[in-house]
Amino acid sequence: GAVVSQHPSWVICKSGTSVKIECRSLDFQATTMFWYRQFPKKSLMLMATSNEGSKATYEQGVEKDKFLINHASLTLSTLTVTSAHPEDSSFYICRGGGNGYGYTFGSGTRLTVV
Amino acid sequence: GQQLNQSPQSMFIQEGEDVSMNCTSSSIFNTWLWYKQEPGEGPVLLIALYKAGELTSNGRLTAQFGITRKDSFLNISASIPSDVGIYFCAGRGDSWGKLQFGAGTQVVVTP
Repeated sequence: GAVVSQHPSWVICKSGTSVKIECRSLDFQATTMFWYRQFPKKSLMLMATSNEGSKATYEQGVEKDKFLINHASLTLSTLTVTSAHPEDSSFYICRGGGNGYGYTFGSGTRLTVV
Repeated sequence: GQQLNQSPQSMFIQEGEDVSMNCTSSSIFNTWLWYKQEPGEGPVLLIALYKAGELTSNGRLTAQFGITRKDSFLNISASIPSDVGIYFCAGRGDSWGKLQFGAGTQVVVTP
């Protein structure tokens, strides 16, 4: 149980364009979705926490207008990287939870901005 | 966010050897978790610990929740090549749902 499906697994986009990453909870209701960013050989850095039907809470230093999070349903949360630049290239991972107790991660999305 | 102190940073071991890694924190945690991450993949949960003193096994993996609630260790017995990867500890304290992560232990197993 507790499967989180993340798509796409990798994406290459041109600088200035926007990219949307989706995370779906397949067998549970993810009332909360945590979004992380991971740099090579580094640990996971929490970017934001989203709760279904409400605005996301962003960690200090994360630009909310750059990283748009939508959590409109109990099974789907999306992260949109707007006006992407090469420095946004990274590995993005979601973690889904019901009532904050979810410990299952998605498979990650490798974003490369050229 | 704040990181846990995870050691060692890396381990190069021979197949069949045991592996041990640990995490410590200055804060008390209610839950300790151990994950394995392979290149290009998200972390996969190996073991979850919910009570101080709890000792839990998952196949060749054994993890313990420290009595002080500020530390945890993970042991891998009789390592095999597919144990290669980065192992992360994570702790959940009072912050609702948020996890703090260790920096990871890279395990390399040679035949």
